[in-house]
Amino acid sequence: AQSVSQHNHHVILSEAASLELGCNYSYGGTVNLFWYVQYPGQHLQLLLKYFSGDPLVKGIKGFEAEFIKSKFSFNLRKPSVQWSDTAEYFCAVMSSSASKIIFGSGTRLSIRP
Amino acid sequence: SAVISQKPSRDICQRGTSLTIQCQVDSQVTMMFWYRQQPGQSLTLIATANQGSEATYESGFVIDKFPISRPNLTFSTLTVSNMSPEDSSIYLCSTKEGEKLFFGSGTQLSVL
Repeated sequence: AQSVSQHNHHVILSEAASLELGCNYSYGGTVNLFWYVQYPGQHLQLLLKYFSGDPLVKGIKGFEAEFIKSKFSFNLRKPSVQWSDTAEYFCAVMSSSASKIIFGSGTRLSIRP
Repeated sequence: SAVISQKPSRDICQRGTSLTIQCQVDSQVTMMFWYRQQPGQSLTLIATANQGSEATYESGFVIDKFPISRPNLTFSTLTVSNMSPEDSSIYLCSTKEGEKLFFGSGTQLSVL
Protein backbone atom coordinates (compact mmCIF):
# COMPACT_ATOMS: atom_id res chain seq x y z
CA ALA A 1 0.00 0.00 0.00
CA GLN A 2 1.19 3.49 -0.73
CA SER A 3 1.93 5.88 2.12
CA VAL A 4 3.44 9.31 2.61
CA SER A 5 5.55 10.59 5.50
CA GLN A 6 6.16 14.19 6.41
CA HIS A 7 8.54 14.25 9.30
CA ASN A 8 8.37 17.95 10.08
CA HIS A 9 5.18 18.63 11.98
CA HIS A 10 5.76 22.34 12.55
CA VAL A 11 8.46 24.53 11.05
CA ILE A 12 9.10 28.11 12.20
CA LEU A 13 11.25 30.40 10.07
CA SER A 14 12.06 34.07 9.78
CA GLU A 15 11.29 35.96 6.61
CA ALA A 16 13.92 35.53 3.87
CA ALA A 17 15.08 32.22 5.33
CA SER A 18 15.35 29.22 3.04
CA LEU A 19 12.81 26.43 3.33
CA GLU A 20 12.97 22.72 2.82
CA LEU A 21 10.11 20.43 3.83
CA GLY A 22 10.69 16.72 3.76
CA CYS A 23 8.43 14.17 2.09
CA ASN A 24 9.07 10.46 1.74
CA TYR A 25 6.75 7.98 0.13
CA SER A 26 6.43 4.26 0.27
CA TYR A 27 5.60 2.53 -2.98
CA GLY A 28 7.75 0.42 -5.25
CA GLY A 29 6.24 1.31 -8.60
CA THR A 30 5.72 4.41 -10.68
CA VAL A 31 4.26 7.31 -8.75
CA ASN A 32 2.92 10.77 -9.31
CA LEU A 33 3.79 13.24 -6.56
CA PHE A 34 2.14 16.44 -5.43
CA TRP A 35 2.52 19.28 -2.99
CA TYR A 36 -0.62 21.08 -1.85
CA VAL A 37 -0.90 24.19 0.32
CA GLN A 38 -3.74 25.19 2.59
CA TYR A 39 -3.71 28.81 3.73
CA PRO A 40 -5.57 29.62 6.95
CA GLY A 41 -9.31 29.35 6.40
CA GLN A 42 -8.95 28.35 2.76
CA HIS A 43 -9.14 25.21 0.70
CA LEU A 44 -6.33 23.13 -0.67
CA GLN A 45 -4.41 24.51 -3.63
CA LEU A 46 -2.00 22.62 -5.84
CA LEU A 47 1.55 24.00 -5.56
CA LEU A 48 3.29 21.65 -7.95
CA LYS A 49 3.27 18.11 -9.28
CA TYR A 50 5.65 15.56 -10.70
CA PHE A 51 4.62 13.00 -13.27
CA SER A 52 7.74 12.25 -15.28
CA GLY A 53 10.75 13.91 -16.88
CA ASP A 54 12.88 16.50 -15.16
CA PRO A 55 12.99 15.55 -11.46
CA LEU A 56 13.26 19.20 -10.47
CA VAL A 57 9.76 20.62 -10.64
CA LYS A 58 8.92 24.28 -10.38
CA GLY A 59 5.57 25.40 -9.04
CA ILE A 60 3.71 28.54 -8.18
CA LYS A 61 4.90 31.26 -5.80
CA GLY A 62 8.58 30.38 -6.16
CA PHE A 63 8.30 26.85 -4.81
CA GLU A 64 10.13 23.90 -6.29
CA ALA A 65 10.51 20.24 -5.43
CA GLU A 66 13.01 17.57 -6.35
CA PHE A 67 12.08 13.97 -6.95
CA ILE A 68 14.87 11.62 -5.88
CA LYS A 69 13.78 8.15 -6.83
CA SER A 70 16.59 6.37 -4.98
CA LYS A 71 15.56 8.04 -1.74
CA PHE A 72 11.80 7.84 -2.34
CA SER A 73 11.73 11.55 -1.58
CA PHE A 74 10.02 14.64 -2.95
CA ASN A 75 11.17 17.53 -0.79
CA LEU A 76 9.68 21.00 -1.18
CA ARG A 77 11.99 24.02 -1.28
CA LYS A 78 11.85 27.76 -1.48
CA PRO A 79 15.00 29.90 -1.36
CA SER A 80 13.45 32.84 0.51
CA VAL A 81 10.16 32.58 2.36
CA GLN A 82 7.69 35.39 2.96
CA TRP A 83 5.24 35.98 5.77
CA SER A 84 2.45 35.12 3.31
CA ASP A 85 3.82 31.57 3.02
CA THR A 86 2.39 30.81 6.44
CA ALA A 87 0.19 27.79 5.76
CA GLU A 88 -0.15 24.03 6.04
CA TYR A 89 1.72 22.06 3.38
CA PHE A 90 0.71 18.56 2.32
CA CYS A 91 2.69 16.11 0.26
CA ALA A 92 0.62 13.58 -1.67
CA VAL A 93 1.28 10.50 -3.78
CA MET A 94 -0.65 8.62 -6.39
CA SER A 95 0.58 5.30 -7.69
CA SER A 96 0.18 4.43 -11.34
CA SER A 97 -1.76 1.30 -10.43
CA ALA A 98 -4.27 3.01 -8.16
CA SER A 99 -6.13 6.18 -8.93
CA LYS A 100 -6.48 7.44 -5.40
CA ILE A 101 -4.28 10.16 -3.94
CA ILE A 102 -2.93 9.68 -0.43
CA PHE A 103 -1.90 12.69 1.64
CA GLY A 104 0.86 13.05 4.19
CA SER A 105 0.15 14.30 7.67
CA GLY A 106 1.05 17.87 6.74
CA THR A 107 3.64 20.39 7.89
CA ARG A 108 2.58 23.64 9.46
CA LEU A 109 4.83 26.49 8.37
CA SER A 110 4.93 29.62 10.48
CA ILE A 111 6.88 32.65 9.27
CA ARG A 112 8.01 35.31 11.70
CA PRO A 113 7.72 38.76 10.15
CA SER B 1 -11.15 22.24 -14.83
CA ALA B 2 -13.92 20.52 -12.92
CA VAL B 3 -16.13 22.57 -10.63
CA ILE B 4 -17.59 20.76 -7.65
CA SER B 5 -20.58 22.05 -5.68
CA GLN B 6 -20.84 20.58 -2.22
CA LYS B 7 -23.60 21.04 0.31
CA PRO B 8 -24.30 21.69 3.06
CA SER B 9 -21.30 23.89 3.74
CA ARG B 10 -21.69 23.37 7.47
CA ASP B 11 -24.05 21.74 9.92
CA ILE B 12 -24.40 21.17 13.62
CA CYS B 13 -25.93 17.82 14.45
CA GLN B 14 -27.03 15.90 17.48
CA ARG B 15 -25.35 12.70 18.56
CA GLY B 16 -27.00 9.61 17.05
CA THR B 17 -28.42 11.34 13.98
CA SER B 18 -27.23 11.07 10.37
CA LEU B 19 -26.21 13.67 7.81
CA THR B 20 -26.04 13.29 4.04
CA ILE B 21 -23.55 15.41 2.13
CA GLN B 22 -24.05 15.99 -1.58
CA CYS B 23 -21.53 16.70 -4.32
CA GLN B 24 -22.37 17.79 -7.83
CA VAL B 25 -19.71 18.00 -10.54
CA ASP B 26 -20.18 20.16 -13.62
CA SER B 27 -18.84 17.43 -15.91
CA GLN B 28 -18.95 13.67 -16.09
CA VAL B 29 -16.19 12.04 -14.07
CA THR B 30 -15.35 8.42 -13.57
CA MET B 31 -14.09 8.52 -10.02
CA MET B 32 -15.07 10.60 -7.04
CA PHE B 33 -13.31 10.54 -3.71
CA TRP B 34 -14.47 11.36 -0.20
CA TYR B 35 -11.95 12.71 2.30
CA ARG B 36 -12.13 13.71 5.94
CA GLN B 37 -9.98 16.41 7.52
CA GLN B 38 -10.18 16.37 11.28
CA PRO B 39 -9.15 19.49 13.19
CA GLY B 40 -5.45 20.14 12.80
CA GLN B 41 -4.89 17.01 10.77
CA SER B 42 -4.33 15.97 7.19
CA LEU B 43 -6.82 14.68 4.67
CA THR B 44 -7.73 11.06 5.15
CA LEU B 45 -9.31 9.19 2.27
CA ILE B 46 -12.59 7.58 3.30
CA ALA B 47 -13.59 5.89 0.07
CA THR B 48 -13.51 5.96 -3.71
CA ALA B 49 -16.89 6.08 -5.43
CA ASN B 50 -17.30 4.70 -8.93
CA GLN B 51 -20.53 4.98 -10.85
CA GLY B 52 -22.41 1.72 -11.08
CA SER B 53 -20.45 -0.18 -8.45
CA GLU B 54 -19.96 -0.35 -4.72
CA ALA B 55 -17.65 2.24 -3.21
CA THR B 56 -14.19 1.09 -2.17
CA TYR B 57 -13.48 1.92 1.46
CA GLU B 58 -10.10 2.57 3.04
CA SER B 59 -8.91 0.82 6.15
CA GLY B 60 -10.80 2.05 9.19
CA PHE B 61 -13.91 3.12 7.29
CA VAL B 62 -16.97 0.93 6.74
CA ILE B 63 -20.07 1.16 4.60
CA ASP B 64 -22.47 0.98 7.54
CA LYS B 65 -20.98 4.15 9.02
CA PHE B 66 -20.31 6.02 5.77
CA PRO B 67 -22.71 4.81 3.08
CA ILE B 68 -22.00 6.34 -0.31
CA SER B 69 -24.18 6.65 -3.37
CA ARG B 70 -23.04 7.31 -6.91
CA PRO B 71 -26.14 7.25 -9.10
CA ASN B 72 -24.53 8.88 -12.13
CA LEU B 73 -21.28 10.36 -13.40
CA THR B 74 -21.87 13.84 -12.00
CA PHE B 75 -23.23 13.23 -8.52
CA SER B 76 -22.37 11.48 -5.26
CA THR B 77 -23.51 11.51 -1.65
CA LEU B 78 -21.79 10.56 1.58
CA THR B 79 -23.85 9.86 4.68
CA VAL B 80 -22.31 10.07 8.14
CA SER B 81 -24.46 7.70 10.18
CA ASN B 82 -25.16 7.50 13.89
CA MET B 83 -22.91 10.46 14.53
CA SER B 84 -20.75 10.98 17.58
CA PRO B 85 -18.58 13.97 18.55
CA GLU B 86 -15.59 12.12 17.08
CA ASP B 87 -17.16 12.57 13.65
CA SER B 88 -16.78 16.34 13.92
CA SER B 89 -14.63 17.16 10.93
CA ILE B 90 -14.52 18.71 7.50
CA TYR B 91 -15.70 16.33 4.81
CA LEU B 92 -14.52 16.92 1.26
CA CYS B 93 -15.46 15.37 -2.02
CA SER B 94 -13.03 15.45 -4.89
CA THR B 95 -12.53 14.22 -8.38
CA LYS B 96 -9.69 13.83 -10.81
CA GLU B 97 -9.28 15.33 -14.24
CA GLY B 98 -6.22 13.81 -15.76
CA GLU B 99 -3.77 13.80 -12.89
CA LYS B 100 -5.14 16.87 -11.17
CA LEU B 101 -7.34 16.57 -8.11
CA PHE B 102 -10.22 19.02 -7.62
CA PHE B 103 -11.97 19.56 -4.31
CA GLY B 104 -15.41 20.64 -3.28
CA SER B 105 -15.70 23.51 -0.83
CA GLY B 106 -16.10 21.12 2.09
CA THR B 107 -18.74 20.43 4.71
CA GLN B 108 -17.84 21.44 8.24
CA LEU B 109 -19.67 19.07 10.57
CA SER B 110 -19.97 19.62 14.29
CA VAL B 111 -21.58 16.89 16.39
CA LEU B 112 -22.84 17.81 19.84
